[in-house]
Amino acid sequence: EAGVAQSPRYKIIEKRQSVAFWCNPISGHATLYWYQQILGQGPKLLIQFQNNGVVDDSQLPKDRFSAERLKGVDSTLKIQPAKLEDSAVYLCASSLDRVGQGNTEAFFGQGTRLTVV
Amino acid sequence: AQSVTQLDSHVSVSEGTPVLLRCNYSSSYSPSLFWYVQHPNKGLQLLLKYTSAATLVKGINGFEAEFKKSETSFHLTKPSAHMSDAAEYFCVVSPYNQGGKLIFGQGTELSVKP
Repeated sequence: EAGVAQSPRYKIIEKRQSVAFWCNPISGHATLYWYQQILGQGPKLLIQFQNNGVVDDSQLPKDRFSAERLKGVDSTLKIQPAKLEDSAVYLCASSLDRVGQGNTEAFFGQGTRLTVV
Repeated sequence: AQSVTQLDSHVSVSEGTPVLLRCNYSSSYSPSLFWYVQHPNKGLQLLLKYTSAATLVKGINGFEAEFKKSETSFHLTKPSAHMSDAAEYFCVVSPYNQGGKLIFGQGTELSVKP
């Protein structure tokens, strides 16, 4: 079974530029998460989708971050314009259903490491 | 509010000695609890999970954790550390009836000395 795919693996941009990350979850997984992991910290949830609907985006900085999951499969996370403090690893995860229901667990991709200079 | 506290930011053990990584959670009802491991430049890998079945949970690579509701703890243990266990470990809570939200602790870095 293929895992969660993310691209690109690495990205370096200048501040005020825009950037987009792509995630392809495990086939059939209804729930998709985007996390931000700043160096030395635990991952912080940015947004959670259930199919193509948003479940939780309370910690997404909506003035500069946006995310979509148009067909309930792939997802894109965008930052525009980027700031220095956005330097982090952006992790995508997916689960068959909402974690906590039955025996559901979340599977993580390898992440995209963003450096803003 | 639900939260997770990992009591040690860094733990160092010698190879062959026991490992204990501590985690306390706060949740209004019985949550689901997980431990993930992250090796350098690798994705997060699930070690084990507690989802209201047996309170002693066995995971991969010899790790296990015990859910103690009275202490609101979910500590991770391994009887004998191996060099390959050196990594960052995250305790994660999914609060009951919160739509599958995952809340991460700050992480514990495990070092294993030869």
